Amino acid sequence: AQSVAQPEDQVNVAEGNPLTVKCTYSVSGNPYLFWYVQYPNRGLQFLLKYITGDNLVKGSYGFEAEFNKSQTSFHLKKPSALVSDSALYFCAVRDGGSGNTGKLIFGQGTTLQVKP
Amino acid sequence: GAVVSQHPSRVICKSGTSVKIECRSLDFQATTMFWYRQFPKQSLMLMATSNEGSKATYEQGVEKDKFLINHASLTLSTLTVTSAHPEDSSFYICSAREPGAFNTGELFFGEGSRLTVL
Repeated sequence: AQSVAQPEDQVNVAEGNPLTVKCTYSVSGNPYLFWYVQYPNRGLQFLLKYITGDNLVKGSYGFEAEFNKSQTSFHLKKPSALVSDSALYFCAVRDGGSGNTGKLIFGQGTTLQVKP
Repeated sequence: GAVVSQHPSRVICKSGTSVKIECRSLDFQATTMFWYRQFPKQSLMLMATSNEGSKATYEQGVEKDKFLINHASLTLSTLTVTSAHPEDSSFYICSAREPGAFNTGELFFGEGSRLTVL
């Protein structure tokens, strides 16, 4: 069964500092990995995805993520955090193997708090 | 990116009544839509996969008679919470994927509907 874990409930970082939000995954086939951001009482916004190719993926709003197959991780990063980045971040995985219905499984979510 | 519209954004109803939530793909046709439920400060729980022209596929533990899903057209899926009770109060979010992007395409999400059952 596919699953994804975000080990941190909350990440606190000062504005201007680099940030990392962690994600590890488990799938039986090739992993298709996604990051989404959610602001209060809103839907989810797509940030970036890894399907194949370069392990470092660049996405929206200056975010990037690094796919690490040996560590089964897909950590979200940003070189310089902004206060406006404060939100709830979700990592998600889809099993690329056959028989998959195409659904996304989400991690527990990590609240990012960027302080001025 | 593609736009998914969800309506209503907020609804308050009395216990025992039914509530319908609509999910529309505005600029693309979606043969498949997904309905999620989110409790406060928690992750999204997939409730069901809505398939245009056929029955929805429900996740284990989700009551199909309680949460009726209809996907009558390529741009509209509806979720009806029947005989709602306070424990059904939650944030419901729909999502859709553009055609031809079965596995590799990202999902586009509606803005969510907050249901409060009194």
